Amino acid sequence: DIQMTQSPSSLSASVGDRVTITCRASQSISTYLNWYQQKPGKAPKLLIYAASSLQSGVPSRFSGSGSGTDFTLTISSLQPEDFATYHCQQTYSSPQTFGRGTKVEIK
Amino acid sequence: QVQLQESGPGLVKPSQTLSLTCTVSGDSISSGAYYWSWIRQHPGRGLEWIGYIYYSGTAYYDPSLESRVAISLDTSKNQFSLKLTSVTAADTAVYYCARSGTRGYYNDYWGQGTLVTVSS
Repeated sequence: DIQMTQSPSSLSASVGDRVTITCRASQSISTYLNWYQQKPGKAPKLLIYAASSLQSGVPSRFSGSGSGTDFTLTISSLQPEDFATYHCQQTYSSPQTFGRGTKVEIK
Repeated sequence: QVQLQESGPGLVKPSQTLSLTCTVSGDSISSGAYYWSWIRQHPGRGLEWIGYIYYSGTAYYDPSLESRVAISLDTSKNQFSLKLTSVTAADTAVYYCARSGTRGYYNDYWGQGTLVTVSS
């Protein structure tokens, strides 16, 4: 199975900050990398698919980049509603696997 | 608008079978445009893919669960189902159903999730 390693596991940031979360795959996954946002008690919400494509309806302050093994999710200016846990997912090979999540907390 | 809703028992005894159903509205599971997935999340932990099924009935599973899991379709009700046999406490989790694209397999619509507890 392909292992997905997210870092950091948690971070504290202020409204307006630029936030970057990284995800590293244990082998090359091309651009088969997706990002989800999850709030407590809620289902994950798709933010970015295919490493850099913004899902419809997702604010443009979210962006994704990377290919191969190293990927990043960037929030250009953190908003109050962005405090949540973010998960990466590889769908390059079966079984698809997720990272352990990055919790973004209020500083 | 596409909506998915999980239903089924919230409590299952050890060694028994966990059965959940996902009812889809706003899309047809027999359209061939998507896969239909089950994903779970253990309390306080990350997400785990269980498997998905295509409109043809072909299903794909995580190898670690493959011996115990079955996903099926009921196109007349626009539903798909999950069965997980011989459950243990380690199967206690929130179970989500989701729609997955056939290109890229990303999950664009999710159910709200249902907590299943395995306990005697």
